[in-house]
Amino acid sequence: TQLLEQSPQFLSIQEGENLTVYCNSSSVFSSLQWYRQEPGEGPVLLVTVVTGGEVKKLKRLTFQFGDARKDSSLHITAAQPGDTGLYLCAGYPTQGGSEKLVFGKGTKLTVNP
Amino acid sequence: NAGVMQNPRHLVRRRGQEARLRCSPMKGHSHVYWYRQLPEEGLKFMVYLQKENIIDESGMPKERFSAEFPKEGPSILRIQQVVRGDSAAYFCASSPVSRGYEQYFGPGTRLTVT
Repeated sequence: TQLLEQSPQFLSIQEGENLTVYCNSSSVFSSLQWYRQEPGEGPVLLVTVVTGGEVKKLKRLTFQFGDARKDSSLHITAAQPGDTGLYLCAGYPTQGGSEKLVFGKGTKLTVNP
Repeated sequence: NAGVMQNPRHLVRRRGQEARLRCSPMKGHSHVYWYRQLPEEGLKFMVYLQKENIIDESGMPKERFSAEFPKEGPSILRIQQVVRGDSAAYFCASSPVSRGYEQYFGPGTRLTVT
């Protein structure tokens, strides 16, 4: 079973549209991180959210951590072709004090010009 | 400030050969993590090391795989007697401290076993 479920798995939209991708779990996380990965490259860290209910903005990207720290969302306003990529959420489960970062399978976003 | 470096970027091995993947963490980072990414799958944790110590290898197959992070030099992930199922992208990440800190990833090594 996947500890972090991301949806949708694939998303293809036109330039200028808005979109939201989700990262859900039944487990509580001490923090969640969002990465973007381009083909042939490693994941690049976008943001870390730590506090339940926290909202962080990075230009046109808005990240939210759920109140119960079990889920997160990424909203992109006025998407551009340069936003195309694989968006991964990852987190540290609170149970067990694990130092292992757990990843979702990702949302593959394509923004068409 | 150089990021995490991995080499080689691409590695082709025949079945039965050995693969050695190298990772140099970011300057000032003493914690190294290895992950494997299969097509259409998320990144899976393999092993967590500090200098001269393996802290957690619970994600690494018991046979054929080993990892080290010597006092001097890069971290090495070694796969002996490779099989086709080992073909994947292997990523290294580093962090300055442990306990849930942000991890920074290298560009990966794409291993192809023929």
